[in-house]
Amino acid sequence: AQSVAQPEDQVNVAEGNPLTVKCTYSVSGNPYLFWYVQYPNRGLQFLLKYITGDNLVKGSYGFEAEFNKSQTSFHLKKPSALVSDSALYFCAVREGAGGFKTIFGAGTRLFVKA
Amino acid sequence: DAGVIQSPRHEVTEMGQEVTLRCKPISGHNSLFWYRQTMMRGLELLIYFNNNVPIDDSGMPEDRFSAKMPNASFSTLKIQPSEPRDSAVYFCASGRGGTSYNEQFFGPGTRLTVL
Repeated sequence: AQSVAQPEDQVNVAEGNPLTVKCTYSVSGNPYLFWYVQYPNRGLQFLLKYITGDNLVKGSYGFEAEFNKSQTSFHLKKPSALVSDSALYFCAVREGAGGFKTIFGAGTRLFVKA
Repeated sequence: DAGVIQSPRHEVTEMGQEVTLRCKPISGHNSLFWYRQTMMRGLELLIYFNNNVPIDDSGMPEDRFSAKMPNASFSTLKIQPSEPRDSAVYFCASGRGGTSYNEQFFGPGTRLTVL
């Protein structure tokens, strides 16, 4: 069965500093990995995904994520955090080759302090 | 594009009443998902439709919950009778195709409070 873990409930970072939000996954086949962001009182918004190819994936709002197969990780990163990046971030995994069910992590709340 | 549309945005009802949540997916999307979000349980997939057909409803909590998709542009999630533990934010999401690699587009959610 597939699963995804976000080990940090909350990440605090100062504006202008780099940020990392961690995610590890477990699937039996090839993983399709996603990051979504949720702002208060809003639905989730897609940020980026890894399907195949280059391990470094670039997405919306300057975010990127690195797929590491040996460590089964897909950490979200941004070189310079903005106060407006403060939100709830979800990592998600789908099993490739026809799997439709997306499993979401518990979410990590990011606080960026000015 | 208007995005995924959900109604109502907020619903307050009393225990035992019937609740119907509505969703209009993005035009051209043929997969539709209903999720429930709570602080305790996070984001849970309730049911998934592909081409208007329910594919997996294993996430539906119990028989009080039912979902329909009579056509490509409309879906409902019904709770009858409602209970206080059903209080949550319910999201509808849609996506292209039935393939694994397509992202989902979420609606703004319906915040349900059952008193």
